[in-house]
Amino acid sequence: GAVVSQHPSRVICKSGTSVKIECRSLDFQATTMFWYRQFPKQSLMLMATSNEGSKATYEQGVEKDKFLINHASLTLSTLTVTSAHPEDSSFYICSATLAGSYAGELFFGEGSRLTVL
Amino acid sequence: SQKIEQNSEALNIQEGKTATLTCNYTNYSPAYLQWYRQDPGRGPVFLLLIRENEKEKRKERLKVTFDTTLKQSLFHITASQPADSATYLCAVELTGGGNKLTFGTGTQLKVEL
Repeated sequence: GAVVSQHPSRVICKSGTSVKIECRSLDFQATTMFWYRQFPKQSLMLMATSNEGSKATYEQGVEKDKFLINHASLTLSTLTVTSAHPEDSSFYICSATLAGSYAGELFFGEGSRLTVL
Repeated sequence: SQKIEQNSEALNIQEGKTATLTCNYTNYSPAYLQWYRQDPGRGPVFLLLIRENEKEKRKERLKVTFDTTLKQSLFHITASQPADSATYLCAVELTGGGNKLTFGTGTQLKVEL
C-alpha cells in the first residue's frame, strides 16, 4: 500500500520556539494531505486540509497563523507550529489519499509527538 | 451535531474468541464508513471500508456490517490473537465531502492468552 513518512517522530522544544514537521508520500503523489492532532485518550481531530500549490483549509477553531501549512510539492507537506506553548504538546499525524480513490481511505504517517517545555 | 460514538471502555477477550466492536453515528447519512487500527504511539492503519449499499464486508478474519437504519456499524475479529490487541477507530466522511474524515474515539481491544 501507499507509504506516508513523517519526520521527526519525536521533538521536544522550549516554549516560544517554532517546530516544523514534514510529511512525505513516498511512492505516490498526494495532491491533498490532511493534518490531524490527537491528545491522549482522545480521537484524531482534523486540523487542516493541505492542497498542493494552494493555501491550506483550516477547520473551525484552528489558528492558521499558529499552525502554518505548506504543500509545495506533490509529495511533501509541512506543518510548522509557531511560538509553541505547552498546550500545543500533542501527537500530530498527517495523512494522504490516493488520487482517484473513490472513498478516500487515508494512509497515515507514523505521527510526530511534540512536547513543549 | 454530527457525532460518532464508540465504546470507550476497553474490551478484553480471550484468544480464539470473536471480538465485536460497535460504532454508532448520529445526524449523519454517510455514503461509507471506514475502520482503522491504531497501535500506541503510531498512526492509524486502514483496515476496511463499507459502503451504504453494502450490508457486510469481509477481509480475512475481519468482518464489518453497516446498518443505515440503526446508524450503526459492527466490526468483528474472528479467531482473535494477542497481536490483534490495539485501538480500533471508525470514521466517516464529514458533510461536504472532500475525503475529510471524522473519527470516533476508538475502542481498545486486548486479547489475552
